[in-house]
Amino acid sequence: GQNIDQPTEMTATEGAIVQINCTYQTSGFNGLFWYQQHAGEAPTFLSYNVLDGLEEKGRFSSFLSRSKGYSYLLLKELQMKDSASYLCAVTDSNYQLIWGAGTKLIIKP
Amino acid sequence: IAGITQAPTSQILAAGRRMTLRCTQDMRHNAMYWYRQDLGLGLRLIHYSNTAGTTGKGEVPDGYSVSRANTDDFPLTLASAVPSQTSVYFCASSLTVSTDTQYFGPGTRLTVL
Repeated sequence: GQNIDQPTEMTATEGAIVQINCTYQTSGFNGLFWYQQHAGEAPTFLSYNVLDGLEEKGRFSSFLSRSKGYSYLLLKELQMKDSASYLCAVTDSNYQLIWGAGTKLIIKP
Repeated sequence: IAGITQAPTSQILAAGRRMTLRCTQDMRHNAMYWYRQDLGLGLRLIHYSNTAGTTGKGEVPDGYSVSRANTDDFPLTLASAVPSQTSVYFCASSLTVSTDTQYFGPGTRLTVL
């Protein structure tokens, strides 16, 4: 079966750095997405990785290792508004998105 | 309209009733999707459409139907609602069905009693 694993919940301090991990086992791989979802709202796109390596976009970076079936989202200089769930999703061989359950990130002052 | 809209925002429905959730996008995207999101579970694909006139089944299609008469609209119908269909429903679209980013509507919170 297809599976996306990410931690259920993480806590971090304002101004700090946090890394949210995602491991996947899917039938084929055509890219990995990270989305942010604030409580009661829709998911919004953060990043997309299809090749190995690090993609940096402001305070957010995303890393991919296809050989290890592994990705992480790195958030720097955490702000209270970063409190949200972070969803990892993989595009499989049929070009369908397989979603993880999401990681709820709690930011404390 | 900018992006994707969904209606209604929320609905309480008696079991056995028929319900249609509406979704409209103005981005001229070819592909559209319906997901449900339940606490502790990832987004689960109900139905999708690669282009106007075609639809396909996702991971959890039972009890739901869709149509895609034109590019902009992708309604989801529950023929006879059951309590297990209580969920938050998101419509999404992408330029094509391949690796393009999916953009989400604001969601419909449905409660079936």
